[in-house]
Amino acid sequence: NAGVTQTPKFRVLKTGQSMTLLCAQDMNHEYMYWYRQDPGMGLRLIHYSVGEGTTAKGEVPDGYNVSRLKKQNFLLGLESAAPSQTSVYFCASRRDTMLGTEAFFGQGTRLTVV
Amino acid sequence: AQTVTQSQPEMSVQEAETVTLSCTYDTSESDYYLFWYKQPPSRQMILVIRQEAYKQQNATENRFSVNFQKAAKSFSLKISDSQLGDAAMYFCAYRTTNTGNQFYFGTGTSLTVIP
Repeated sequence: NAGVTQTPKFRVLKTGQSMTLLCAQDMNHEYMYWYRQDPGMGLRLIHYSVGEGTTAKGEVPDGYNVSRLKKQNFLLGLESAAPSQTSVYFCASRRDTMLGTEAFFGQGTRLTVV
Repeated sequence: AQTVTQSQPEMSVQEAETVTLSCTYDTSESDYYLFWYKQPPSRQMILVIRQEAYKQQNATENRFSVNFQKAAKSFSLKISDSQLGDAAMYFCAYRTTNTGNQFYFGTGTSLTVIP
């Protein structure tokens, strides 16, 4: 059971380049989230999805797009990378059970835009 | 949007001692969830403890316990018998029950454990 897997783990981009971060979960969770983590700012929500084919904006969506074509995958795209998008990106999925609710996180992607 | 405030950017504790990390939040909801997550240098986010707002009893998980004060909107984490492996960044998080059920995170508290 892999849980939540993010690809790639590290990436360096030049300003203006594009890229896609892949998040895959094998737990059949409906909800998935993309966060960015910056020093002194905690984790901020970029976009989220409440199920296959649906996406919604979070706190800091500008400059990012997402897609959820398959339930297990949640893609985060940067069309034209900017230095302000240098950050660590986390994907998460959520499980709700009778025992409670919990977010499961991937291992993070460190992105540097030069 | 809900806000989560962690007013202690850094804390330190002697090994085997007890430390309390503070967290306050702002919300108009009556039903929600609260969490503490730990992030060691490996960067992995690990759930430490969670609390449902409708439960009056404070959650406990081994050496970790919370002091949940709903009226004061306070949710502190107590770590007893601190161990070297407890050194990490700790994030307080709030999960709304509104559409999307987003998680909102505080800015984190970096905990150092002194041998």
